[in-house]
Amino acid sequence: DIQLTQSPSFLSASVGDRVTITCRASQGIRSDVAWYQQKPGKAPKLLIYGASTLQSGVPSRFSGSGSGTDFTLTLSTLQPEDFATYYCQQLNSYPRTFGQGTKVDIK
Amino acid sequence: QVQLVESGGGVVQPGKSLRLSCAASGFAFSRYGMHWVRQAPGKGLEWVAVTYFDGSDKHYAESVKGRFTISRDNSKNTVYLQMNSLRAEDTALYFCARDSRYCSNNNCSSFADNWGQGVLVTVSS
Repeated sequence: DIQLTQSPSFLSASVGDRVTITCRASQGIRSDVAWYQQKPGKAPKLLIYGASTLQSGVPSRFSGSGSGTDFTLTLSTLQPEDFATYYCQQLNSYPRTFGQGTKVDIK
Repeated sequence: QVQLVESGGGVVQPGKSLRLSCAASGFAFSRYGMHWVRQAPGKGLEWVAVTYFDGSDKHYAESVKGRFTISRDNSKNTVYLQMNSLRAEDTALYFCARDSRYCSNNNCSSFADNWGQGVLVTVSS
């Protein structure tokens, strides 16, 4: 199975900050990564697929990059509604594993 | 719009069975694969299973293989998760999600683009 390691697991930031979350795969997975945002008590929301394609309706302050084993999710200017937990998921093969999550909290 | 509504959760004793349902509306259900993903209390997301659009192929997480079965009824726009031999570690919020395909540079894959709100399963004696 493909393992995904996200870092950091937790980060504290302020509104207006630029935030970067990384996701490393245990083997090469081309650009087969999605990113999800989850708020407490809610279902995950798709942000990005194919490593860098923004899902319809997602604000442009979210961006994704990477290929092979290293991927990043960047929030260019953190907004109050962006405080949440973020997960990467590999779309390359089954089982479709997730990273352990990164909680973005208010500083 | 796309709507996915899970049902069938509850409290069940270890070793017993439970069947979850996910009723879909707002899209052509028979054209899409469907996933189940779960989240134990206070933990991260764990992918559980997927069924292709016509039920011809299915995949499972190792943790549920041989105990859980995913199926679908396209005439009822519903996907199911039959869970047998339940264990305490199966306690989680279970989400169903729609599988959407995409292709890039001649490579195709798929992602979960719409999710239900989840149904809670508690395995406890």
